[in-house]
Amino acid sequence: SQTIHQWPATLVQPVGSPLSLECTVEGTSNPNLYWYRQAAGRGLQLLFYSVGIGQISSEVPQNLSASRPQDRQFILSSKKLLLSDSGFYLCAWSAASNTEAFFGQGTRLTVV
Amino acid sequence: KQEVTQIPAALSVPEGENLVLNCSFTDSAIYNLQWFRQDPGKGLTSLLLIQSSQREQTSGRLNASLDKSSGRSTLYIAASQPGDSATYLCAVRPVSGGYNKLIFGAGTRLAVHP
Repeated sequence: SQTIHQWPATLVQPVGSPLSLECTVEGTSNPNLYWYRQAAGRGLQLLFYSVGIGQISSEVPQNLSASRPQDRQFILSSKKLLLSDSGFYLCAWSAASNTEAFFGQGTRLTVV
Repeated sequence: KQEVTQIPAALSVPEGENLVLNCSFTDSAIYNLQWFRQDPGKGLTSLLLIQSSQREQTSGRLNASLDKSSGRSTLYIAASQPGDSATYLCAVRPVSGGYNKLIFGAGTRLAVHP
């Protein structure tokens, strides 16, 4: 069966520090991968998606970037965190663009 | 632009009640609609996926219906239990504007008390 792992579960980082959140999927090949952010009191916002290695699409301009160095690995990064980057980050995968999506357990990021 | 609305925003019911959560979307051109459950501080758990050609899907005590032409979906929970307490989110996958994304509603926060 397929599983998705996200880490770390929680992270407290100072303003201006770098960020790296990692997501890996097991049990499937060539998944579509997604990064979402859930801000307090707001819905989920799609940040990035990837349909293959090295193929990244950005939904909104922001202080973040994403990379897909391996087929089942998706990384969310920032060179310098802002206070507004605080939130709950969720990684997700689907077998194809229009099939069921599955989410990881999320990373709670607090920028102080 | 596709927008998803969920009503009510919050719901508190006694154990054993049957209840209905509502989801509406503005553009009927969708590939599918998915219902999720989110416990506090946790990720999303997929409950049901309804393809655009389907009218409903069932899983245990859960039944989701889809009326694509009117832009509505309902999640029916039978014989609610305290363990059903969570936030329920619906999301649509639009045909246009990037079918790789899911557009989410803000969720319905459900509390089932003994």
